[in-house]
Amino acid sequence: GPKVLQIPSHQIIDMGQMVTLNCDPVSNHLYFYWYKQILGQQMEFLVNFYNGKVMEKSKLFKDQFSVERPDGSYFTLKIQPTALEDSAVYFCASSLRGYEQYFGPGTRLTVL
Amino acid sequence: GDSVTQTEGPVTVSESESLIINCTYSATSIAYPNLFWYVRYPGEGLQLLLKVITAGQKGSSRGFEATYNKETTSFHLQKASVQESDSAVYYCALGDTNAYKVIFGKGTHLHVLP
Repeated sequence: GPKVLQIPSHQIIDMGQMVTLNCDPVSNHLYFYWYKQILGQQMEFLVNFYNGKVMEKSKLFKDQFSVERPDGSYFTLKIQPTALEDSAVYFCASSLRGYEQYFGPGTRLTVL
Repeated sequence: GDSVTQTEGPVTVSESESLIINCTYSATSIAYPNLFWYVRYPGEGLQLLLKVITAGQKGSSRGFEATYNKETTSFHLQKASVQESDSAVYYCALGDTNAYKVIFGKGTHLHVLP
């Protein structure tokens, strides 16, 4: 079936640095999402994105977070600066019409 | 708020036994929630297993089934006879059709013994 790819699979950075997580969504999809899962907890919605704009963001989507998809390339999540509590697995998803979302395998972010 | 609660894992069953993973939801801000079961097999990404968007309906896939019960706010996942290949983490989820976000349960780790 359709696949969403995420690059890298694992990223380790020092607190305060910037990090960009990349998502290669399904090619004809129009809606894009990021979710965050802290170890041992449930996966939680961060943000969704459509037509070049953020549609909705949760309270977990701090001011240090930003998303974009320049020129139909990767859908990215940037965190600048990072904090210890940003350590988690971040899942990207995409969908054609809305809620039937296809998920990537996740990027494990470790902030030291 | 909106939330999903499911069976705490891990759940261990033997091959050919029946399975039920309980899921209940609360959808206080969503008028017409959609309900999903997602599955993550070892080493793979999250996949949609089945979905039901209308209360009272049943969804099924790969021998699994779940019925959307609005009265009991439940969406339990059942399978009559599990296989070792069903070993995975199963997530019950609630979809908001307006905001297009999905609210997940914590996941239930299923081990099927040969």
